[in-house]
Amino acid sequence: AQSVTQLGSHVSVSEGALVLLRCNYSSSVPPYLFWYVQYPNQGLQLLLKYTSAATLVKGINGFEAEFKKSETSFHLTKPSAHMSDAAEYFCAVSIRLTGGGNKLTFGTGTQLKVEL
Amino acid sequence: DAGVTQSPTHLIKTRGQHVTLRCSPISGHKSVSWYQQVLGQGPQFIFQYYEKEERGRGNFPDRFSARQFPNYSSELNVNALLLGDSALYLCASSLDSGGGGSVVLTFGAGSRLTVL
Repeated sequence: AQSVTQLGSHVSVSEGALVLLRCNYSSSVPPYLFWYVQYPNQGLQLLLKYTSAATLVKGINGFEAEFKKSETSFHLTKPSAHMSDAAEYFCAVSIRLTGGGNKLTFGTGTQLKVEL
Repeated sequence: DAGVTQSPTHLIKTRGQHVTLRCSPISGHKSVSWYQQVLGQGPQFIFQYYEKEERGRGNFPDRFSARQFPNYSSELNVNALLLGDSALYLCASSLDSGGGGSVVLTFGAGSRLTVL
């Protein structure tokens, strides 16, 4: 079964430092992978998605992620953290449903804290 | 353009009661999905509807039901509420059912349900 695992439930960085949030996937077929961000008391906002067109995916707000098949990873990075990046980040994999639809299976999330 | 709108934003119920949550998708989106997010966890898939037909159901008891209306809005109903049903209920819409897997879900801000 397809799934994702996020390593580190809490990550703390200094403002201006590199952000690295880890996600590993398990899939027997090429996966469709996503990163979403959730700010307090809000829904989820799409940061970026991987659909096999390119291994390095650029998203919004300066985030990017690299798909590495050899490592079954899809880690999220940002060169320089900003205070406004403090939020919870979810990695997700798309799974096809027998009824013809699809669902997202999410990881457990990583809470990013940005310190001055 | 309005995003995905959900109502109510917050509600408190007691055990055994029934609740109805409502969702209006982005204009032009024909698919609606429901997710449950328990505090501290990633969202869990409940249902997907496309063109008023159920396209998938997650591992939730029969107390959970949903439907989609001709205008593509949707309702999620939960009967015989349990304390464990306390969660943020997220609605997401997409243009199609996403059977190919790469479809992007746009989430609403959610309905926070507290069961006492």
